[in-house]
Amino acid sequence: AQSVTQLGSHVSVSEGALVLLRCNYSSSVPPYLFWYVQYPNQGLQLLLKYTTGATLVKGINGFEAEFKKSETSFHLTKPSAHMSDAAEYFCAVSDMGGGFKTIFGAGTRLFVKA
Amino acid sequence: KAGVTQTPRYLIKTRGQQVTLSCSPISGHRSVSWYQQTPGQGLQFLFEYFSETQRNKGNFPGRFSGRQFSNSRSEMNVSTLELGDSALYLCASSSGLAGASDTQYFGPGTRLTVL
Repeated sequence: AQSVTQLGSHVSVSEGALVLLRCNYSSSVPPYLFWYVQYPNQGLQLLLKYTTGATLVKGINGFEAEFKKSETSFHLTKPSAHMSDAAEYFCAVSDMGGGFKTIFGAGTRLFVKA
Repeated sequence: KAGVTQTPRYLIKTRGQQVTLSCSPISGHRSVSWYQQTPGQGLQFLFEYFSETQRNKGNFPGRFSGRQFSNSRSEMNVSTLELGDSALYLCASSSGLAGASDTQYFGPGTRLTVL
């Protein structure tokens, strides 16, 4: 069965600092991995996704994530945080064995200090 | 293209009542998924519909049901509401043709409060 673990329910960084949000997954077959962002009172927006091919995936707003099969990880990074990055971030996994079902992690709330 | 729309945005009901939520997917999308989001349980998958057929469902009681119409619009219904059903209900649409790698586009959600 698929599962997703996001390490740290809250992460705080200073503006201009590196953002690192951690995600580990479990899947019995090759996974498809996603990062979504949710701003207050809004739905989720896709940041990036990994399907096959290049393991370093670039997304919107300067975010990127690297798929590491040996570590079963898909951590999200951004070199320099901006105040507008403050939001909740969700890692998600799906796979062909899951029957069109996406499993989301518990989420990490990112705070950006001026 | 217009995004995913959900109606109503906010709803207040009392225990024992039933409620119907509506979702209009992006034009051309044939798959609609529903999720329940709460502070304690996070985002939980309810069910997914494709071309009017339920393809998968999560671990929710039978009080939660859904359907999809020929124009891909979807409704979900919750009967005999309980206090624990208070949540943000999110709808997501996708083409439905790329399998598990499909990108889901989320609506703004319906905030349901059960008193």
